[in-house]
Amino acid sequence: EVQLVESGGGLVQPGGSLRLSCKASGFTFSSYWMSWVRQVPGKGLEWVANIKQGGSEKYYVDSVKGRFTISRDNAKNSLYLQMDSLRAEDTAVYYCARDIVVVTAFHDYWGQGTLVTVSS
Amino acid sequence: EIVMTQSPATLSVSPGERATLSCRASQSVRSNLAWYQQKPGQAPRLLIYDASTRATGIPARFSGSGSGTEFTLTISSLQSEDFAVYYCQQYNDWPRTFGQGTKVEIK
Repeated sequence: EVQLVESGGGLVQPGGSLRLSCKASGFTFSSYWMSWVRQVPGKGLEWVANIKQGGSEKYYVDSVKGRFTISRDNAKNSLYLQMDSLRAEDTAVYYCARDIVVVTAFHDYWGQGTLVTVSS
Repeated sequence: EIVMTQSPATLSVSPGERATLSCRASQSVRSNLAWYQQKPGQAPRLLIYDASTRATGIPARFSGSGSGTEFTLTISSLQSEDFAVYYCQQYNDWPRTFGQGTKVEIK
């Protein structure tokens, strides 16, 4: 059974940093692109970043470029999102999701999410 | 970026009735469109990809159609567990983008 379990969310002040983690199981993690997708509570979904199987390619939505860094450790079946210079508008539930790449990608499995709140 | 517009924002349907949800893309996405279901407090769940292919384990009452800029998700006979928010997502162009969602509520 495919499982994705996020952790690391919490309350952080504007300008602060936070590192999210996602532990994968039930599939060959190293064979898949992976993404982070966020959702402001009560609002829609926004893709944030994704990373290729070996980590050599990474892509970001414009609003987080230069502030967020996606990475992975295939030996640990883990995906990470380092978030720096956080802003109030980054407040959201952050989901780890597995990519099925076509032209870009859709997501066939999602974690349960971890809430990040940026507030003073 | 491609803007995905879903309608209606809220759909009130009685159990057992048919629900028809629409998704429009601001430019052609060919058939590179997915539909997700999200229940309160849960992660999204993939229902449909490639506009009309049901994901693993998705009941046959869910069907998708369309190509280019106009897409439809149909739930043929609503069950109690189908009341949720539904999102469409295009994956034909970077960045992938989602619609704002349609809430299907009990009438």
